[in-house]
Amino acid sequence: AQSVTQPDIHITVSEGASLELRCNYSYGATPYLFWYVQSPGQGLQLLLKYFSGDTLVQGIKGFEAEFKRSQSSFNLRKPSVHWSDAAEYFCAVVSTSGTYKYIFGTGTRLKVLA
Amino acid sequence: EADIYQTPRYLVIGTGKKITLECSQTMGHDKMYWYQQDPGMELHLIHYSYGVNSTEKGDLSSESTVSRIRTEHFPLTLESARPSHTSQYLCASSGDSYGYTFGSGTRLTVV
Repeated sequence: AQSVTQPDIHITVSEGASLELRCNYSYGATPYLFWYVQSPGQGLQLLLKYFSGDTLVQGIKGFEAEFKRSQSSFNLRKPSVHWSDAAEYFCAVVSTSGTYKYIFGTGTRLKVLA
Repeated sequence: EADIYQTPRYLVIGTGKKITLECSQTMGHDKMYWYQQDPGMELHLIHYSYGVNSTEKGDLSSESTVSRIRTEHFPLTLESARPSHTSQYLCASSGDSYGYTFGSGTRLTVV
């Protein structure tokens, strides 16, 4: 069965520090992968997506993610975190059943220290 | 810029009341979804639709129902609200690509 694992429930970093949020997936074919961000009390906003091609994808707000097939990973990175990046981050993969349904990870809550 | 709108944003209602959560999108997307999310928790798909007059139940069993009479409109109804229905409900839509556009959500509290 397809699954998405985000091993870190909470992460705390200092403002200006680098960030890496982990995402591992279980999938039989080339996955379609996504990262979303959710600010408190809000819906989800798409940060970036990977379908094929270059394994390093750039997203909005200075985020990037790297697809590593050998590690079944799609980790999200940012070189310098801003206080406004504090939010919940969700990794997702599209189901192979042809239904366009996402399988979401459980999320990682990012706290940024001033 | 929000192209998918959910109303109300917040709702506090008594047990046994019937409620309808509204979701409308202006992008002409054929696929629409409802997710339930408890605070700080993952998202669970409860309903989805691939077009007018098409609705399916999602992965999480829900006592709610949905309808899709118009492409742009995908309301969710609870016939008799209970405290266990207290949650955040997120609506999303997608077109030909796989990316979802999410609404801002409705935070429902049943007292």
